[in-house]
Amino acid sequence: QKEVEQNSGPLSVPEGAIASLNCTYSDRGSQSFFWYRQYSGKSPELIMSIYSNGDKEDGRFTAQLNKASQYVSLLIRDSQPSDSATYLCAVGAGTYKYIFGTGTRLKVLA
Amino acid sequence: KAGVTQTPRYLIKTRGQQVTLSCSPISGHRSVSWYQQTPGQGLQFLFEYFSETQRNKGNFPGRFSGRQFSNSRSEMNVSTLELGDSALYLCASSPTGQDGETQYFGPGTRLLVL
Repeated sequence: QKEVEQNSGPLSVPEGAIASLNCTYSDRGSQSFFWYRQYSGKSPELIMSIYSNGDKEDGRFTAQLNKASQYVSLLIRDSQPSDSATYLCAVGAGTYKYIFGTGTRLKVLA
Repeated sequence: KAGVTQTPRYLIKTRGQQVTLSCSPISGHRSVSWYQQTPGQGLQFLFEYFSETQRNKGNFPGRFSGRQFSNSRSEMNVSTLELGDSALYLCASSPTGQDGETQYFGPGTRLLVL
């Protein structure tokens, strides 16, 4: 059974701090990785995708991938109260299927 | 481009009834996936359709079924509803469903089974 694991949180950080969200996956053959943000009562929206080892930056967001350790993370710099949401890690499982973690709830305290 | 649309947005049903949910993908997207989201289980994959064919299916009972039409619109059906089927049902579309493509989610249908 392929799995994606995330700490459910809540992860609380003060405004302006760096929030670090982590995700591990079980399928060593996975090639595509995604971070989605989901506000309460809303549907997930894509923040970033990453396919190669290393860092990928987009504005205040940085995704980090380490395939050897089967680990993907999302850093949010200068966290804002509007970043408070649940962050979902998704892994491409091949055969037209994606596996999602249960999400980490982030609270940014003003 | 218009986003993924789902109808209806909210549904209340009673146990034993059946329900049909609809999803219209982004124009040009031919892959539609369905997910069930519950507080305890997170987002769980139901099935994926492409060109009117189901290409993959998650671990759900046969009461959950779906189909896709020639215009890529998709429907899912749940028969003999159970209390545990109460959830947010999300559909997501992508151009071809190949590994690595971003999936774009619709707003979801919130189903409450009483």
